[in-house]
Amino acid sequence: SQTIHQWPATLVQPVGSPLSLECTVEGTSNPNLYWYRQAAGRGLQLLFYSVGIGQISSEVPQNLSASRPQDRQFILSSKKLLLSDSGFYLCAWSPGTGRGEQYFGPGTRLTVT
Amino acid sequence: AQSVTQLDSQVPVFEEAPVELRCNYSSSVSVYLFWYVQYPNQGLQLLLKYLSGSTLVKGINGFEAEFNKSQTSFHLRKPSVHISDTAEYFCAVSRGGRRALTFGSGTRLQVQP
Repeated sequence: SQTIHQWPATLVQPVGSPLSLECTVEGTSNPNLYWYRQAAGRGLQLLFYSVGIGQISSEVPQNLSASRPQDRQFILSSKKLLLSDSGFYLCAWSPGTGRGEQYFGPGTRLTVT
Repeated sequence: AQSVTQLDSQVPVFEEAPVELRCNYSSSVSVYLFWYVQYPNQGLQLLLKYLSGSTLVKGINGFEAEFNKSQTSFHLRKPSVHISDTAEYFCAVSRGGRRALTFGSGTRLQVQP
């Protein structure tokens, strides 16, 4: 069966500090990978998605970036965090030839102070 | 492009009462439909999905949903809710393949004793 991991689970970072969130998927190959952000009391905002190694599509221009160095690894980064980057970050995967259903990780709660 | 509208941001209901969470979508092509549940500080869990065939689909935790193509709706129902059903529920639509899901804004179900 497939599993998806995210770490860290929680993170408190000062404004201007860098960020690196990691997501890995097990039990599948060539998945589509997604990063979402969920601000407090808000819905899901798609940030990035990837259909393969090194292939990243950005949905929202901002100070965040994503990379996919390996088939089942997806990393969300920032060089300098802003207060507005606070939120709940969710990674998800879907089968490459599926019908769109996505499976989510447990999330990372980021607080920028 | 497709869009999803969840008509109720909050639905309060008493324990053991029936509940319906409404979802309407718009799309110029055939789509696949999903309902997800999110408990506090957790990732999203797939409740059920409509891919094809019978328009009444059953999911986990006693939930079911009915696809109505003429009304472009996919409402979620449960005949008798439990306190543990208190959560945020998201409706989502996909055209399949590697495309990202389009999510509704979510409905908070609050089950009261």
